[in-house]
Amino acid sequence: GQQVMQIPQYQHVQEGEDFTTYCNSSTTLSNIQWYKQRPGGHPVFLIQLVKSGEVKKQKRLTFQFGEAKKNSSLHITATQTTDVGTYFCAPPNITQGGSEKLVFGKGTKLTVNP
Amino acid sequence: DAGITQSPRHKVTETGTPVTLRCHQTENHRYMYWYRQDPGHGLRLIHYSYGVKDTDKGEVSDGYSVSRSKTEDFLLTLESATSSQTSVYFCASKGGWGASYEQYFGPGTRLTVT
Repeated sequence: GQQVMQIPQYQHVQEGEDFTTYCNSSTTLSNIQWYKQRPGGHPVFLIQLVKSGEVKKQKRLTFQFGEAKKNSSLHITATQTTDVGTYFCAPPNITQGGSEKLVFGKGTKLTVNP
Repeated sequence: DAGITQSPRHKVTETGTPVTLRCHQTENHRYMYWYRQDPGHGLRLIHYSYGVKDTDKGEVSDGYSVSRSKTEDFLLTLESATSSQTSVYFCASKGGWGASYEQYFGPGTRLTVT
């Protein structure tokens, strides 16, 4: 089935360092969503990217969608302890048709040392 | 967050027993989903519903059934629980058709099958 590769699987940083997670697909994506899951919590929607080369910012978070729409990234500038959690990318499940189902990457777990 | 609740929040059951997990949403969302989350696998779709009495399988549907008799309720049943079904189960809902809508997740149910 359709898969998305998310790297790295784990990332540990010192508070104040930057962090980036990447999401790669072998197929062209119509769009991609990003979710964050705090430890012990549930996934929460962060953003959706639709256009080729799109860049969106949310305070210290920058989301990018590749020109070929096969990859995406999330960059956090100057991490804080509140950024701790697992970040998932989630494009539509093309192999099962339609945009009503998402396929989640395995996530990048971010830990921040204060 | 949308009003999505799950019950029970924790359950321990024995192999071979039937188990039903309940998801309730107060947003009048048409689409509802059941996922399981396991270490190293991210979130995997079990079943989803696109309306009352309309359901479809996800990528890991074997051993699970679902029912949706009302818009607000989506039930997940393990007919005969196995240890491989020990997992954290998340329900989610989505308000509209198409990729522009995000999914809202419930708090999760931690199920242990002994």
